[in-house]
This record gives sequence, C-alpha cells and structure tokens, in this order.
Amino acid sequence: DQQVKQNSPSLSVQEGRISILNCDYTNSMFDYFLWYKKYPAEGPTFLISISSIKDKNEDGRFTVFLNKSAKHLSLHIVPSQPGDSAVYFCAASKTSYDKVIFGPGTSLSVIP
Amino acid sequence: DTGVSQDPRHKITKRGQNVTFRCDPISEHNRLYWYRQTLGQGPEFLTYFQNEAQLEKSRLLSDRFSAERPKGSFSTLEIQRTEQGDSAMYLCATEALEGQGRGSGANVLTFGAGSRLTVL
Repeated sequence: DQQVKQNSPSLSVQEGRISILNCDYTNSMFDYFLWYKKYPAEGPTFLISISSIKDKNEDGRFTVFLNKSAKHLSLHIVPSQPGDSAVYFCAASKTSYDKVIFGPGTSLSVIP
Repeated sequence: DTGVSQDPRHKITKRGQNVTFRCDPISEHNRLYWYRQTLGQGPEFLTYFQNEAQLEKSRLLSDRFSAERPKGSFSTLEIQRTEQGDSAMYLCATEALEGQGRGSGANVLTFGAGSRLTVL
C-alpha cells in the first residue's frame, strides 16, 4: 500500500518556465512533508519542507503548496534551470520524529 | 568529509552468499535510517535507530536482513542467503534530533551515496 504517490513518472519543461511536480498521500496522520532531489549516483538531498499548519512554504525558486483536505501537495520551481534536471521525491511523516515515507519519484528534465 | 559514508559502493555477489554494508553517519546525528531503492521506485523504509536502539523494522524486511548500530556510531546492514530480488541500492541516512535543520520542524535526512547490490 503506497501511502505517498507521485503519479507522473516524468516531466519535461523548457528552461525559464515553471515546473510543477505533484504528490498525493493517503495517510491523514501525515503532518510533515518534504521534497528531496536526487542526481544519478548520489543519494537524495533535502530541498524544502512544510508542516500541516501551513499551506505554503517558499525558498528561493522553490515553493511547496499543501492542500490538506485534498491530501495533495505540489512543488513549484520558477524559473526552471537545466541544473534542476533530477528525480524529485515527495516524502511524508506523521510527526517530526517519525520515520519518513517516500513516493516513487518524478524525473524532471529541463530543456535548454 | 563530514557527510554520510557508505561502504562498499558496489557489491556483486552470487545468490546464497551473505553481504554486509556499513554506514558511517555524521557524528552529531542521533538517528540512522536504512532504505532500499529499486529502479523506478522511491526509497523504501527498512529500519531506523536512535543512538544504538533499533526503533522500528519494516514488516517487509525478512529475517534474512539484520541491522546493528553498536555504541550508537556506525551501522551495519547484513543480508544472509542473498536472493536475486535483493538486488537494489541500499541507502543510509542520518538525522540530527536537535539543532540546525530542525527549524522547520521536519525531520531532514542526510543521505549517503548508497551501496548498490547485484545478486547474480
């Protein structure tokens, strides 16, 4: 039973445009949500997070939106750059000290 | 290098053999996680430790898998009697329970580069 879902395995975006990566979750107990980025031959690296008391968190070009009633979150990257090309994982946990559950990932390609 | 270190980076073994992976965490990080990742999938939770205590083990993990973290420092993940289905990337991640990185309240994991297992 996959508790964190990313239904788009891949996404291609032109450089300079907006990238929107989507994530859905099934466990209503999740209160913390994170996005990680992974380049080939490297481990995932933390990108941005949000707790359920917020609906938006912004860090530079990256913004995460949370719709708790829909159990949906999204990551916006504006403007997209070729260096953003990577696999993006959505992740969630019930508390800030509970184990982190990852989605299957979305491979983003930013075309110059 | 003050990151999470994993060894070996790649292990090729024959079915039925035992393998052991080692993870050296960031020194001040209390929590240590093991994940498994197969092609096209996200990291799948296996087990995690707080200091030397093993907090949880995934029910997906068969009894051929065992992990230890003696003295709360490095950790080992051993797979006995390997099967072809064990072929995967084994990722170690660590987390500080206090201090920087917890300002958002979320548990930010720092991953190693992983140990890739190929079972022939």
